[in-house]
Amino acid sequence: DAGVTQSPTHLIKTRGQQVTLRCSPKSGHDTVSWYQQALGQGPQFIFQYYEEEERQRGNFPDRFSGHQFPNYSSELNVNALLLGDSALYLCASSLQPTRQPQHFGDGTRLSIL
Amino acid sequence: QKEVEQNSGPLSVPEGAIASLNCTYSDRGSQSFFWYRQYSGKSPELIMFIYSNGDKEDGRFTAQLNKASQYVSLLIRDSQPSDSATYLCALPGGNEKLTFGTGTRLTIIP
Repeated sequence: DAGVTQSPTHLIKTRGQQVTLRCSPKSGHDTVSWYQQALGQGPQFIFQYYEEEERQRGNFPDRFSGHQFPNYSSELNVNALLLGDSALYLCASSLQPTRQPQHFGDGTRLSIL
Repeated sequence: QKEVEQNSGPLSVPEGAIASLNCTYSDRGSQSFFWYRQYSGKSPELIMFIYSNGDKEDGRFTAQLNKASQYVSLLIRDSQPSDSATYLCALPGGNEKLTFGTGTRLTIIP
């Protein structure tokens, strides 16, 4: 039973570039949430996708956008990268409706030069 | 005021002793809490969740929830070097959106 998978594992970009991160949820899960974790901080909620729509959004600018595909996988896009976007980006999946905790992928480490 | 607060540590505990990690929260309506463990460079791993007041035990781990005082704690008995990690307290909100504390870095000293 595959867990949450993310790609790539590491990425280096320069300021102003655009990046796309990918996530496949745990088998049987239909909801994907994205989090940003800066060094030494707890993860911060970016947004959540369910039924191919953004259902909830955290306090992140419009440079952060996403998409969910019919197979429940998801992408996170970040435009006009800033140095402050350097972080570990985590994807978590869950099944609606449920109170069960989310399962996290191993994350994508994004470094902006 | 932050919704979830944790002491960032570092917290050092001798091997075999009890490690105590605490988390306070501001939303009196919060009903459940999760504890995640995160090794350096890795993703958070769920180790405990608690939905009701009181204690919940799972092996060497005990989660304690006190809704009146608005705190939740995690006790690790017989601490092992492999328990050295950052421990994150998380509060689930609408649609299971998680609000995390900043995490407490725990070091078990052999």
